[in-house]
Amino acid sequence: DAGVTQSPTHLIKTRGQHVTLRCSPISGHKSVSWYQQVLGQGPQFIFQYYEKEERGRGNFPDRFSARQFPNYSSELNVNALLLGDSALYLCASSFQGALLYEQYFGPGTRLTVT
Amino acid sequence: RKEVEQDPGPFNVPEGATVAFNCTYSNSASQSFFWYRQDCRKEPKLLMSVYSSGNEDGRFTAQLNRASQYISLLIRDSKLSDSATYLCVVYNNNDMRFGAGTRLTVKP
Repeated sequence: DAGVTQSPTHLIKTRGQHVTLRCSPISGHKSVSWYQQVLGQGPQFIFQYYEKEERGRGNFPDRFSARQFPNYSSELNVNALLLGDSALYLCASSFQGALLYEQYFGPGTRLTVT
Repeated sequence: RKEVEQDPGPFNVPEGATVAFNCTYSNSASQSFFWYRQDCRKEPKLLMSVYSSGNEDGRFTAQLNRASQYISLLIRDSKLSDSATYLCVVYNNNDMRFGAGTRLTVKP
């Protein structure tokens, strides 16, 4: 079975631009969560969606938004990019609605803002 | 103070050694605890959950001390394939907090 997939794998953007990252969960998983991992740090929770509804939100500015589609795939949008947004963006899926359950991570999208 | 703190290491140990990592957390209301493993330039993967009574999975043993607000991971008989970064994760009210990780290198 396919694992969590993310696209694109790498992305280079300029300050002030907008970016959309995409994630497809494992088949049958209804929960998708997003994390930002800066080099040398652990992942930081951004959002969780379950059954197309936002279930949790981390401490990120309103420039970050997300949504989940009827097929449970998800998009993370970041507006007005800053240099500090450069990071690995990880998507994770799980069958259950709470982050308490095992999260299966995708390979990530590496975003570089110049 | 960070919500989840880990010694970044690196821990460099020979094959067959026993190594232990600790992780402290600041929120006494934290509900659940996990260890994830992350290989270099790869995604994190769940290693094990940490139960109040402590739990073991093969060569790996996890312990929780709620009074002192720390969790630990013990790896016995280290293998070369154990080389990775070990992330401590604390869950509370549908929020996951990851530590920065402890890097382990097992050498022949």
